[in-house]
Amino acid sequence: GAVVSQHPSWVICKSGTSVKIECRSLDFQATTMFWYRQFPKQSLMLMATSNEGSKATYEQGVEKDKFLINHASLTLSTLTVTSAHPEDSSFYICSAKTARSGSYEQYFGPGTRLTVT
Amino acid sequence: QQPVQSPQAVILREGEDAVINCSSSKALYSVHWYRQKHGEAPVFLMILLKGGEQKGHEKISASFNEKKQQSSLYLTASQLSYSGTYFCGTEGSGGSNYKLTFGKGTLLTVNP
Repeated sequence: GAVVSQHPSWVICKSGTSVKIECRSLDFQATTMFWYRQFPKQSLMLMATSNEGSKATYEQGVEKDKFLINHASLTLSTLTVTSAHPEDSSFYICSAKTARSGSYEQYFGPGTRLTVT
Repeated sequence: QQPVQSPQAVILREGEDAVINCSSSKALYSVHWYRQKHGEAPVFLMILLKGGEQKGHEKISASFNEKKQQSSLYLTASQLSYSGTYFCGTEGSGGSNYKLTFGKGTLLTVNP
């Protein structure tokens, strides 16, 4: 149980285009999902917290107009990188927290490697 | 504030033990431990909640001292599959909405 998928697993796009990344909880409902980015050999940096049915909460320094997050259902959150630039190239990982009362675990998706050329 | 992990890296021979530490400068509600292999997503190992608990499964266990705001991960009789980067993620007390702040990681290499 507790499987989180991401799609696509990797994407290469041209500078100026937009890319959408999907995060799905496959066998549980997730009221809260988190989006992270990770640069090579570095830690996971939280970008935003996504709650089903409400606006995402962004961390300081993260542009909400550039990284659009939608949490349309209890099993799906999407991150859209708008007008991508080479500096947006990174490993984007989502995690999901179960809606089950008293449960605190977060499970990570396999990640999406974005390369902007 | 980012928790501090130590050591930054450790090299073991198969069968040896290791301890990875995670300390925070602020009060914690929970500590989460993950292992990440190169190019893959972090895999959940365990979570420890406020109350000073200890947990473990198989040969991996952890403790959480909330007074000292520290957690330690214990790997005993290490196996080759234990290699990877270990991250602790901390959740501050006082309603953080489950947000985790991750340390910089500890690279563990287990050699035959």
